[in-house]
Amino acid sequence: DAKTTQPPSMDCAEGRAANLPCNHSTISGNEYVYWYRQIHSQGPQYIIHGLKNNETNEMASLIITEDRKSSTLILPHATLRDTAVYYCIVNSGGSNYKLTFGKGTLLTVNP
Amino acid sequence: DAGVIQSPRHEVTEMGQEVTLRCKPISGHNSLFWYRQTMMRGLELLIYFNNNVPIDDSGMPEDRFSAKMPNASFSTLKIQPSEPRDSAVYFCASSFFPQSNTEAFFGQGTRLTVV
Repeated sequence: DAKTTQPPSMDCAEGRAANLPCNHSTISGNEYVYWYRQIHSQGPQYIIHGLKNNETNEMASLIITEDRKSSTLILPHATLRDTAVYYCIVNSGGSNYKLTFGKGTLLTVNP
Repeated sequence: DAGVIQSPRHEVTEMGQEVTLRCKPISGHNSLFWYRQTMMRGLELLIYFNNNVPIDDSGMPEDRFSAKMPNASFSTLKIQPSEPRDSAVYFCASSFFPQSNTEAFFGQGTRLTVV
């Protein structure tokens, strides 16, 4: 699976959009980009995933660049409860679907 | 569905004792994962089952660790004998394959302390 690079930490004001970047320059054509988050003392939680096109669900939006070498997770209106470690993971899925977590980005939402 | 259920939530044991962690995956899921999380090493995948068969156990640290999945609704991770360096939070997760590229659901974890 391709390696990902994320900033170790970010801050965001409550109510503002949080934009979390991820670099995955060695991604291959059949690999998806997944985002999970882990709120303190809880198990990781799935947020969203995508292959080429931008994706949106009730939690977030995922913007993938045209060359697929980077992506951005957008939380449109961050709340204090969004404070967590956010993990960007690249995986080809299918029979090789095993998520390998890096260090992620600690997002702190400030009042 | 109640989600992935792990037990116990907390376990304190003495070095040298056997420890068994339990996991009940979401009904209908056929893939199960065991992870370990520490401050130093982050989240590490220990072993991955598909249809009750271990597919990849390359993350299991050593022979003291063993995992079983006797049926689709139950899995155990056993450490024998336990050591202080095994202290960590152990997570179980499940998903459905071959609906590929779907999400994995994690349990709340078992916090293991070996003294």
